[in-house]
Amino acid sequence: GAGVSQSPSNKVTEKGKDVELRCDPISGHTALYWYRQSLGQGLEFLIYFQGNSAPDKSGLPSDRFSAERTGGSVSTLTIQRTQQEDSAVYLCASSLALQWETQYFGPGTRLLVL
Amino acid sequence: AQTVTQSQPEMSVQEAETVTLSCTYDTSESDYYLFWYKQPPSRQMILVIRQEAYKQQNATENRFSVNFQKAAKSFSLKISDSQLGDAAMYFCAYRPIQGAQKLVFGQGTRLTINP
Repeated sequence: GAGVSQSPSNKVTEKGKDVELRCDPISGHTALYWYRQSLGQGLEFLIYFQGNSAPDKSGLPSDRFSAERTGGSVSTLTIQRTQQEDSAVYLCASSLALQWETQYFGPGTRLLVL
Repeated sequence: AQTVTQSQPEMSVQEAETVTLSCTYDTSESDYYLFWYKQPPSRQMILVIRQEAYKQQNATENRFSVNFQKAAKSFSLKISDSQLGDAAMYFCAYRPIQGAQKLVFGQGTRLTINP
């Protein structure tokens, strides 16, 4: 079946602008995660959604970052007033509730803030 | 806090030979999962192999196997009969069974396969 999809694939923006990144999880997956991968670095956890529970926002680096998940499916990560240090690849992953241990990743969105 | 360390930023191997990628981690938990993910230039993270800490037997998946040493908190990945398609970044990751569901990743090892 279809995997996790993300859009856009690449995004170039100017410092100070807002951006929205979209993630479509695998159908039926109730858990959804956002990670950030800065150049040459490992992945850094940002936020986690599970069903109707309150999201785990413990990884969000500042209040300029927010995310929502509508209808338990699609998620949008919003970065307000972007800064150059926000430039990174943003990866989304999803998993089944009964198979918590395996997270399936999308291809990511590469964000470049000029 | 849990941490994962990959001490080899880059590794290279001749095609058809065997290579081992190192990973160590730090945790006070007794039950957890460990993973190796592969990230080719396409950016998509692909699960290579996983290990449950309560299992003593090392996980294997075709040409990929792990050497899990729980007491030493070591989790290395062995790739046998290396193929050109194995060239990628490899990330070791940790997740506790209880509590936070996030994966904690190492910094990655870039693997080059020489023909």
